[in-house]
Amino acid sequence: QVQLQESGPGLVRPSQTLSLTCTVSGGSISSGNYYWTWIRQPAGKGLEWIGRIYSSGSTNYNPSLKSRLTISVDTSKSHFSLKLTSVTATDTAVYYCASEDSVWGVYDHWGQGTLVTVSS
Amino acid sequence: EIVMTQSPATLSVSPGERATLSCRTSQSVGHNLAWYQQKPGQAPRLLIYGSSTRAIGIPARFSGGGSGTEFTLTILSLQSEDFAVYYCQHYNNRPPYTFGQGTKLEIK
Repeated sequence: QVQLQESGPGLVRPSQTLSLTCTVSGGSISSGNYYWTWIRQPAGKGLEWIGRIYSSGSTNYNPSLKSRLTISVDTSKSHFSLKLTSVTATDTAVYYCASEDSVWGVYDHWGQGTLVTVSS
Repeated sequence: EIVMTQSPATLSVSPGERATLSCRTSQSVGHNLAWYQQKPGQAPRLLIYGSSTRAIGIPARFSGGGSGTEFTLTILSLQSEDFAVYYCQHYNNRPPYTFGQGTKLEIK
């Protein structure tokens, strides 16, 4: 059973960089069975797909965030990471990492989510 | 980008009754549609994929249907634990795999 756990600062200053890591356990991050994905949810709102990475390092990003976004993977540490630059209050959200089944394209395992607040 | 539209925004149903939720996509996604359930303070949980296949451990009272641009999620004999927010998501072709805005299923 794949398990995911987000970690990172809960408070980020405006214009700074938001950095989060998702640690994968219970399965190999290099298995090829999954795309490793970031999704966020502002308070009281819906889910926004941020982007994903494959174990090879291949990425896909949400066009609305692409200019500020980097997703990377470290297979030796079994984790993948998100960096979002030049943040504003609109980036305040619960950030989830999830595994996307590489066959079905659905998110069958999720982290518990971590709240990131952008505020001075 | 495919736009997902869910209706209604809020659905009030009594326990034991049936609930039907709708999801429409701005272009055809074939059967590449999933449904998720989210309870307060929790991550979403996968219910249905392939428009009608229940995920592991999902009770038979949950069923999905539809194809192309029109989809439904039906929950028979609502239980107290079923009151939550439900999201549809497409995974057709290439990302971004967008979600609907959600339907809140509340107790009547």
